[in-house]
Amino acid sequence: DIQLTQSPSFLSASVGDRVTITCRASQGIASDLAWYQQKPGKAPSLLIFPAYNLQSGVPSRFSGSGSGTEFSLTISGLQPEDLATYHCQHLNGYPLTFGGGTKVEIK
Amino acid sequence: QVQLVQSGAEVAKPGASVRVSCKVSGYTLTEFSIHWVRQAPGEGLEWIGGFDPDQGKMIYAQKFRGRVTLTEDTSTETAYMALSNLRSADTAVYFCASDHPSSGSFSPFVFWGQGTLVTVSS
Repeated sequence: DIQLTQSPSFLSASVGDRVTITCRASQGIASDLAWYQQKPGKAPSLLIFPAYNLQSGVPSRFSGSGSGTEFSLTISGLQPEDLATYHCQHLNGYPLTFGGGTKVEIK
Repeated sequence: QVQLVQSGAEVAKPGASVRVSCKVSGYTLTEFSIHWVRQAPGEGLEWIGGFDPDQGKMIYAQKFRGRVTLTEDTSTETAYMALSNLRSADTAVYFCASDHPSSGSFSPFVFWGQGTLVTVSS
């Protein structure tokens, strides 16, 4: 099975900061990686798939990059509404595993 | 617009079974691939299984094989997840999720249900 390791598991940043979350795959998965945002008490929402493609309606301050085994999600100019947990998921075969999640707190 | 509406919270005893439903609207069930994901309290997301359109069958995570059954009733546009032999570690919020209509295998989850809390307690 492909394992996904996210880091950090928690981060605290100020409004306007640039934050980067990393997702590392245990084997190469090309660009078959999705990023989701999950606000407290809500279902996840798709932000990016494949690894570099922002979904329609997602603010342009979000961006994704990487391929193979190393991926990142960047928020350029953190906003109060970005308080959430962010999850990566690979779609490169079964089982479809998720990373452990990164909780983003606003200072 | 597409909506996935799940059944309400469940409380079950260890060893019992539970079934969670997910009613689809906005498209027909045959146009989607419905998957199920769970999230234990304070934990990450865990994929349980879902329909693979290229293989034409349900695919299950190894961890849940033998205990989970995913079914779909096209007459009522409802998907079901049944989990048996429950233990305390199964306490979690269970989500149904789907890709875009008419997507192929390995498509991301665009639409999500609101989640159903299943509590396993004696």
